[in-house]
Amino acid sequence: DVKVTQSSRYLVKRTGEKVFLECVQDMDHENMFWYRQDPGLGLRLIYFSYDVKMKEKGDIPEGYSVSREKKERFSLILESASTNQTSMYLCASSRPGGVGYEQYFGPGTRLTVT
Amino acid sequence: GEDVEQSLFLSVREGDSSVINCTYTDSSSTYLYWYKQEPGAGLQLLTYIFSNMDMKQDQRLTVLLNKKDKHLSLRIADTQTGDSAIYFCAGSNDYKLSFGAGTTVTVRA
Repeated sequence: DVKVTQSSRYLVKRTGEKVFLECVQDMDHENMFWYRQDPGLGLRLIYFSYDVKMKEKGDIPEGYSVSREKKERFSLILESASTNQTSMYLCASSRPGGVGYEQYFGPGTRLTVT
Repeated sequence: GEDVEQSLFLSVREGDSSVINCTYTDSSSTYLYWYKQEPGAGLQLLTYIFSNMDMKQDQRLTVLLNKKDKHLSLRIADTQTGDSAIYFCAGSNDYKLSFGAGTTVTVRA
């Protein structure tokens, strides 16, 4: 079974703090993704990576950065957290082939910025 | 990128059929997916359909694809309380997926 794990289920941070969200997958997938999920807006892609040290901006990259130093790990960084970054953050991974580009998701991190 | 739209809420009585609808803009999507998100959990792939198919049946699930109208639907037969969840449709564009806003399905006794 593919497993995608995220470092925290719940996180509370203060405005201006630097925040790290970690994601690890154990299936040697090339592609990894970070989304945020907000009610009524669905999932919006923040960043994705198709290889180690490679990254591409998604639809809403402003205020975020990412790091992928190892194939299995993809980190999302909020350089200076703001209240409008309060959200559910979901990590996913995929590989070419199989069911197209089926993505496997972690359980999510609910981040609250106060 | 792909725009995917779906209605936000659906209430259904236990034992009835549920139908969740989705429209999309990009006809080049190779696969179209339905994901399910249970409370407090991430998304899990429920079913999918290849773009050259019109219908796919998988136990209680039926996916219908109307390519001309760019319309996708998911029918759940004999809806159970365990089917209460948020359902997302998604289209693929290369290795990125574009998700709809999600339909919250509530099953009432």
